[in-house]
Amino acid sequence: DAGITQSPRYKITETGRQVTLMCHQTWSHSYMFWYRQDLGHGLRLIYYSAAADITDKGEVPDGYVVSRSKTENFPLTLESATRSQTSVYFCASSGSGMNTEAFFGQGTRLTVV
Amino acid sequence: GQQLNQSPQSMFIQEGEDVSMNCTSSSIFNTWLWYKQDPGEGPVLLIALYKAGELTSNGRLTAQFGITRKDSFLNISASIPSDVGIYFCAGRRYGQNFVFGPGTRLSVLP
Repeated sequence: DAGITQSPRYKITETGRQVTLMCHQTWSHSYMFWYRQDLGHGLRLIYYSAAADITDKGEVPDGYVVSRSKTENFPLTLESATRSQTSVYFCASSGSGMNTEAFFGQGTRLTVV
Repeated sequence: GQQLNQSPQSMFIQEGEDVSMNCTSSSIFNTWLWYKQDPGEGPVLLIALYKAGELTSNGRLTAQFGITRKDSFLNISASIPSDVGIYFCAGRRYGQNFVFGPGTRLSVLP
């Protein structure tokens, strides 16, 4: 399907486990982003990528790892999940032109128990 | 980091009423975006603005890019129940990341 898709939609994991959230876009957008959304904090940028093999930290990167070997995929890994990482995670993508918009996936609701 | 202010934080209106909300920043942006988020879903782009003073409509929604480039406004005319949700503004400067506001939660009473 065209667009940006995230998987899984829901995930429950235990503290200390590694978990990977997937993001796939079909627009060949240069930029991809990972945000977390928590009550009282809005959308906070975790990591972003300007192109394949180029990634950079956002506002709250600690405890997360990203990679981007292909333009269309941008997985987010929690190396050792903590309860504070319980959140809703959104992936987004945008083009590289001067006038660009961000398009969001449906989100992954992650619960760390 | 950079912050956007949105007002009001929440609003309750009667079905059929018009709605106005705004977004302000201490910095200049080249792009202003407005999104709507339904419960359990990701933000969906409503309107994109690229020029100071620009006024753009999308059905019953109208948004404006402020002349100072530090603010933007969103109006919804004749609200209906499906307008319920959280409305986010976002700004972007060339070559920089998007900055999002905290959202305005809209409730529509029948």
